[in-house]
Amino acid sequence: EIVMTQSPATLSVSPGERATLSCRASQSVSSNLAWYQQKPGQAPRLLIYGASTRATGIPARFSGSGSGTEFTLTISSLQSEDFAVYYCQQYNNWPPELTFGGGTKVEIK
Amino acid sequence: QLQLQESGPGLVKPSETLSLTCTVSGGSISSSSYYWGWIRQPPGKGLEWIGSIYYSGSTYYNPSLKSRVTISVDTSKNQFSLKLSSVTAADTAVYYCARHPARSTIWWDWGQGTLVTVSS
Repeated sequence: EIVMTQSPATLSVSPGERATLSCRASQSVSSNLAWYQQKPGQAPRLLIYGASTRATGIPARFSGSGSGTEFTLTISSLQSEDFAVYYCQQYNNWPPELTFGGGTKVEIK
Repeated sequence: QLQLQESGPGLVKPSETLSLTCTVSGGSISSSSYYWGWIRQPPGKGLEWIGSIYYSGSTYYNPSLKSRVTISVDTSKNQFSLKLSSVTAADTAVYYCARHPARSTIWWDWGQGTLVTVSS
């Protein structure tokens, strides 16, 4: 099983500042990496797939980078609606053996 | 616009079988382009994939749950279902149904989720 490790567990950021979230895979997943945003009481929402491609309707302030085992989600200027938990997920194999990271909570500083 | 809606009992007794159904609207479950799946989230914790099914009935399961999970599809009702047997308190979670493209488990569309509590 590929283990996904996210850091930090909690990130305190002021509105308007940049947030940088990390995700590490225990073995290479190429660019088969997605990011999701989850707000309290809501289902996760797809933000990024293919490590760097924004999903439909996702603002340009969200960007993803990386390949192999190291990935980053950057939120360039945090808006109030961006405070949430973010999960990475690898989907490198078929038949599916997908796994999620433990999440990073982005909170207001 | 595609919508997914979970339904089923919110309370299940230990050792019994958890049963949930996901009703799909705004799209056909028989699309050759997609798989349909279940993901769960224990309170305050992260996400865990349970399994996925194709309209033909082909299934894939998380190895850690495979011995207890059955996912089935009813194309006539545009629904798919989850059964998880021999539940314990550790199976208490919000259960989401969702959709991903064939051969790529990117979860584009999600239901709102339903909380299932395992308790006597």
